[in-house]
Amino acid sequence: GNSVTQMEGPVTLSEEAFLTINCTYTATGYPSLFWYVQYPGEGLQLLLKATKADDKGSNKGFEATYRKETTSFHLEKGSVQVSDSAVYFCALSRSNSGYALNFGKGTSLLVTP
Amino acid sequence: GAGVSQTPSNKVTEKGKYVELRCDPISGHTALYWYRQSLGQGPEFLIYFQGTGAADDSGLPNDRFFAVRPEGSVSTLKIQRTERGDSAVYLCASSLMGGGPDEQFFGPGTRLTVL
Repeated sequence: GNSVTQMEGPVTLSEEAFLTINCTYTATGYPSLFWYVQYPGEGLQLLLKATKADDKGSNKGFEATYRKETTSFHLEKGSVQVSDSAVYFCALSRSNSGYALNFGKGTSLLVTP
Repeated sequence: GAGVSQTPSNKVTEKGKYVELRCDPISGHTALYWYRQSLGQGPEFLIYFQGTGAADDSGLPNDRFFAVRPEGSVSTLKIQRTERGDSAVYLCASSLMGGGPDEQFFGPGTRLTVL
């Protein structure tokens, strides 16, 4: 079946550090891949997505590239800010179910000044 | 504009009771999804509606769970004979069409606690 595995947190970084959160997936067919973010006290919101191999999704300085050969969609940011502190979820969508999402367990990120 | 809303925000009930959780999607969104998020886990898919019909209910854990969307807008998730293991945050999301990898917009969730 479809599944997503992402690195366990919590991840603690100093402001302006480089961020990588690893995400790998198992899927039949060609899923679309997403990163969702949940800021403290807020609901889940889409951060970025990629719909086919080699696509790069980007938003707010975050990037992730859909790598079919390694079944990965790692999230990166060159210089994190305190305001990036949140829980990040990697997800894939199932085309045979109205694109319902399979989520990873989430990675908590804390950025300190 | 208004986002996805869910009521109640918190629900505490006793084991064996019946509960209903409501979701108001974004106006005009035809696709609606229910997910369940347990502590320390990512959301798990429960059911997907396209319009009024449940297009995929494969994520419902057992027959105590049921959901409806009679007019293609508001949806209600119904849980009978609640068990302590049903305690979780229940999330609703909607998207414009559901026929592609559209962005899903999530509500704030209903935190259900079964004592």
